[in-house]
Amino acid sequence: DIQMTQSPASLSASLGETVTIECRASEDIYNGLAWYQQKPGKSPQLLIYNANSLHTGVPSRFSGSGSGTQYSLKINSLQSEDVASYFCQQYYDYPTFGAGTKLELK
Amino acid sequence: EVQLQESGPGLVKPSQSLSLTCSVTGYSITSNYWGWIRKFPGNKMEWMGYISYSGSTSYNPSLKSRISITRDTSKNQFFLQLNSVTTEDTATYYCASSYRYVMDAWGQGASVTVSS
Repeated sequence: DIQMTQSPASLSASLGETVTIECRASEDIYNGLAWYQQKPGKSPQLLIYNANSLHTGVPSRFSGSGSGTQYSLKINSLQSEDVASYFCQQYYDYPTFGAGTKLELK
Repeated sequence: EVQLQESGPGLVKPSQSLSLTCSVTGYSITSNYWGWIRKFPGNKMEWMGYISYSGSTSYNPSLKSRISITRDTSKNQFFLQLNSVTTEDTATYYCASSYRYVMDAWGQGASVTVSS
């Protein structure tokens, strides 16, 4: 299995701030990476796929980058509706997920 | 817009089989891929498997001996069966529409507890 190490586990940020969440894969996953957002009591929503492609309808303040084993999700100009948990998922091999990052407002 | 809804027993006894149904509206399951993912207490997520538009399946190797995903195209539903469950199978089970391994729409989730 490809292991995904996600950091930080939790994050507190202010409105308007830029936030970055990172995932490191245990081997090269060749951009086979997705990011999801899950709000409390809701189902996960796809944000990014292929490491840097924005899913339909996702605000442009979300962006993904990275290559090889290192990937990141950036949220520009944090909004109150971005309070959620975020997790990465690799799909170069059978899918595995990061442990998640809980984002709260400061 | 595709919508998915899981249904099934919320409590299963150890050693028995867990069976869940995913009802899909707004999109035919004869297109795309349709998968199951679970989230354990403590928030670890695990991809379980999918059934494709053609009916072929792919399963997580860690579950391969216990899992079966099938479908009923006439009802636009697909199903999860997990055999020989233990308390470690307690989780929230999600069905999802996917581009193979990328899940672009999820159901609300079904909480399943394995307990005697």
